[in-house]
Amino acid sequence: AQSVTQLDSQVPVFEEAPVELRCNYSSSVSVYLFWYVQYPNQGLQLLLKYLSGSTLVKGINGFEAEFNKSQTSFHLRKPSVHISDTAEYFCAVSVKSGGSNYKLTFGKGTLLTVNP
Amino acid sequence: EPEVTQTPSHQVTQMGQEVILRCVPISNHLYFYWYRQILGQKVEFLVSFYNNEISEKSEIFDDQFSVERPDGSNFTLKIRSTKLEDSAMYFCASRNTSGRSHEQYFGPGTRLTVT
Repeated sequence: AQSVTQLDSQVPVFEEAPVELRCNYSSSVSVYLFWYVQYPNQGLQLLLKYLSGSTLVKGINGFEAEFNKSQTSFHLRKPSVHISDTAEYFCAVSVKSGGSNYKLTFGKGTLLTVNP
Repeated sequence: EPEVTQTPSHQVTQMGQEVILRCVPISNHLYFYWYRQILGQKVEFLVSFYNNEISEKSEIFDDQFSVERPDGSNFTLKIRSTKLEDSAMYFCASRNTSGRSHEQYFGPGTRLTVT
């Protein structure tokens, strides 16, 4: 069975500082990896995804993530954060579970708080 | 841009009552999902639905839960007799099966409060 570990439950940073949100996964099969963002009182929005190809993927709002197969990691980074990046960030893996069905397994989330 | 919609945004119900949460997936999508997020916890998979039947369900999705696609557009989650521990945010998602897309598009969620 697959699992996702987000090592930091909360990450406070100052505005314009760089940030890295860590994500490790375990799976015995090939995975597809995602980062979702949840702003307060809103639903889940896709930030970026890794399906195949280049291990460095770029997403919306200046975020990027690097897939590292040997370390089974998919850390999310942004070189300079804004106050508006304050949100909960979820790492997720999608694994084929039968036929053409894929289900998402989420990590517990990391609350990013950007302070002025 | 097409999006998944959910109604109501917030539902308050008494323990033991039946609730139906409604979702309208993106029109050309064929896979539909329900996920749940208990306050302060991670998002958990409940069930996936394809070709008018459940394709997979989690251990959370017991006999109290059911899903239905009553017409060509709605996708519903029914909880027959709600318990306090059913209080959570419920997210609907849909996915296209064409090409290599594995992205699930999420709705804004329904916050269910059981009192």
